[in-house]
Amino acid sequence: DTGVSQNPRHKITKRGQNVTFRCDPISEHNRLYWYRQTLGQGPEFLTYFQNEAQLEKSRLLSDRFSAERPKGSFSTLEIQRTEQGDSAMYLCASSFQLNSQIWPNEQFFGPGTRLTVL
Amino acid sequence: GNSVTQMEGPVTLSEEAFLTINCTYTATGYPSLFWYVQYPGEGLQLLLKATKADDKGSNKGFEATYRKETTSFHLEKGSVQVSDSAVYFCALTPYFGNEKLTFGTGTRLTIIP
Repeated sequence: DTGVSQNPRHKITKRGQNVTFRCDPISEHNRLYWYRQTLGQGPEFLTYFQNEAQLEKSRLLSDRFSAERPKGSFSTLEIQRTEQGDSAMYLCASSFQLNSQIWPNEQFFGPGTRLTVL
Repeated sequence: GNSVTQMEGPVTLSEEAFLTINCTYTATGYPSLFWYVQYPGEGLQLLLKATKADDKGSNKGFEATYRKETTSFHLEKGSVQVSDSAVYFCALTPYFGNEKLTFGTGTRLTIIP
């Protein structure tokens, strides 16, 4: 399967603990996005990368959240000192931008990581 | 800011019924519009898109027309099947070069045989 993969698929943690999620995009894709989806809502944008550069961060991404894409391939999203309000599905998507004149490029989504903070 | 308002669900229809799911948007500039679908146990998939006014996106028997005058992008299908049961999300990207998706809240569709 050459789609977007995310690990773990489920994570249960206690309030105050740190968690890290991983996203492996489709191999040739140079853009990678993180979204968060709470129950009954649509996904909300968190941040995105062009290769290894983080180009935009949402105001939703508090200083407890950090995302990296060190080699322009996989990405990690870390949440420090988790709170119950962080419970959500965290979605990763990737796309390939061939050149700046082609827009929009289709985003392919992974299955998500469901976080439950007790 | 940018926002998408979707018809509230859940929606339950009989097989072969006509489907409409309403979607309206607010955006600065000239957004591109999308419908994504999430089947049970699967990730979000792009169903169709339209990038400029009066464009019609279509796929798998579903259609949606970009109406700038009414800021709408309603999803339609003439004859639904049980396999169409899923959650449908309307979304936009706001302007050229910005691919950040803004989603609606989703509409759960259930088709009964």
